[in-house]
Amino acid sequence: GNSVTQMEGPVTLSEEAFLTINCTYTATGYPSLFWYVQYPGEGLQLLLKATKADDKGSNKGFEATYRKETTSFHLEKGSVQVSDSAVYFCALSDGEGNNRLAFGKGNQVVVIP
Amino acid sequence: DGGITQSPKYLFRKEGQNVTLSCEQNLNHDAMYWYRQDPGQGLRLIYYSQIVNDFQKGDIAEGYSVSREKKESFPLTVTSAQKNPTAFYLCASRTGTYKNTEAFFGQGTRLTVV
Repeated sequence: GNSVTQMEGPVTLSEEAFLTINCTYTATGYPSLFWYVQYPGEGLQLLLKATKADDKGSNKGFEATYRKETTSFHLEKGSVQVSDSAVYFCALSDGEGNNRLAFGKGNQVVVIP
Repeated sequence: DGGITQSPKYLFRKEGQNVTLSCEQNLNHDAMYWYRQDPGQGLRLIYYSQIVNDFQKGDIAEGYSVSREKKESFPLTVTSAQKNPTAFYLCASRTGTYKNTEAFFGQGTRLTVV
C-alpha cells in the first residue's frame, strides 16, 4: 500500500538557519505529493504541492521537488523565522479508487530567536 | 467565507458514553474524511466518504461510526466501544476524486475522556 516516511524527531534550529525535512514515499503509479503545516491547536493547511515528476512546489519561501528516481519530496527553506515554528506533514495521493491521502508522522519544527 | 467547521472545539466524555463530533463544509466538496491525531503518530484515517449516502472504513474504524445524509455534513460518533478515545480529531474535505486536489481541514476537536 501507499506510505510516507518522514525523518525521525523534532527539528530545532536558530532563526535564519536553513531548514530541510526529509520525506520519502512508496506508491503505485504516479502520485501527487503535498506538504501541510499545522500550527498549535489548529487544523492542517496546505503549504505546497507537486503533481508530477520533477515539478517543484513553492510557497512562503518553502520549496520541495518531486523526485521520482529517489521517491522523495524533501521540504526546504533557506532562512527560517520564528513564525515557521509548527508541525510539518508530508502526504501523497494516488487517486486510485478511494482517493485517500496518506500522511507521514509529521515533524515538529522549533525556531529559536 | 467557504470552509470547514468542526464543533465543539473541546469535548469531554465520561467513560461508557457515546459522543458525536460535528463537521460541516460549504465548499461543495464531494469527499469528506475523519482523521485521528495522537502525539508522534501523525494522522490516521478513521472513515471517509466520497459521495452522499456512502462511506468506507479507514485504518482505525473500530469503535467509531459515521453518516453522510447530506453533502455538507459528515458527523463522527465515538462509541463506548472505542477503548482509547482521547485524541485530537480532524475533519477534511476534498473536491472530487482527482489525485491533484488538496484537502481542506477544519480546526479540530479535542476529545478527552474523564
